[in-house]
Amino acid sequence: QSALTQPASVSGSPGQSITISCTGTSSDLGGYNYVSWYQQHPGKAPKLMIYDVSNRPSGVSNRFSGSKSGNTASLTISGLQAEDEADYYCNSYTSSSTLEVFGGGTKLTVL
Amino acid sequence: EVQLVQSGAEVKKPGESLKISCQGSGYSFTFYWIGWVRQMPGKGLEWVGIINPSDSDTRYSPSFQGQVTISADKSNSTAYLQWSSLKASDTAMYYCMRRMLGRHYFDYWGQGTLVTVSS
Repeated sequence: QSALTQPASVSGSPGQSITISCTGTSSDLGGYNYVSWYQQHPGKAPKLMIYDVSNRPSGVSNRFSGSKSGNTASLTISGLQAEDEADYYCNSYTSSSTLEVFGGGTKLTVL
Repeated sequence: EVQLVQSGAEVKKPGESLKISCQGSGYSFTFYWIGWVRQMPGKGLEWVGIINPSDSDTRYSPSFQGQVTISADKSNSTAYLQWSSLKASDTAMYYCMRRMLGRHYFDYWGQGTLVTVSS
């Protein structure tokens, strides 16, 4: 079971928008609308930001949005703020017996 | 208030055994799977496995199958991750998290347990 593929790093200036991609296969990300995204600040536990491809939990800023096309999901952060600087991980349900698979993570730097 | 509270940091020697815990409160423990991930120093999240406390259905990542054991005690709303013989490469932060039955995202996470294995 391979991890989902994410870029190692992305960056953007305050106020700009960035997009983080997450690529899987038809057995996981491409086959189900069960993609979630997590934000992790240094030394902290991950936090759910997006679930079921494009839904935001209560309390998460509407600057965060998610989408999916084929075997690739995307997390977009608009109006970048310094506090958005963190690591971001995608996750998907998979038809394999392991049930879940994570991406390798993307470090977002706000310039 | 929903909480997942993990046991404290551990320092062990190679070859020793260890069992860390994750206690849920503020919700019906058997309505949610409990998953575990590993985060080695400076690295990303790695999927370890997951258990359904209501029937003990347990699934493992191929990378961790046979290396760890996940269990749960629904009588005290606690899930466990255990090793029979630790290696230095098991040094990492381990997080537990919950996933509602029938849903596929992790809405609450524990604070993490740091496991250090060193001779």
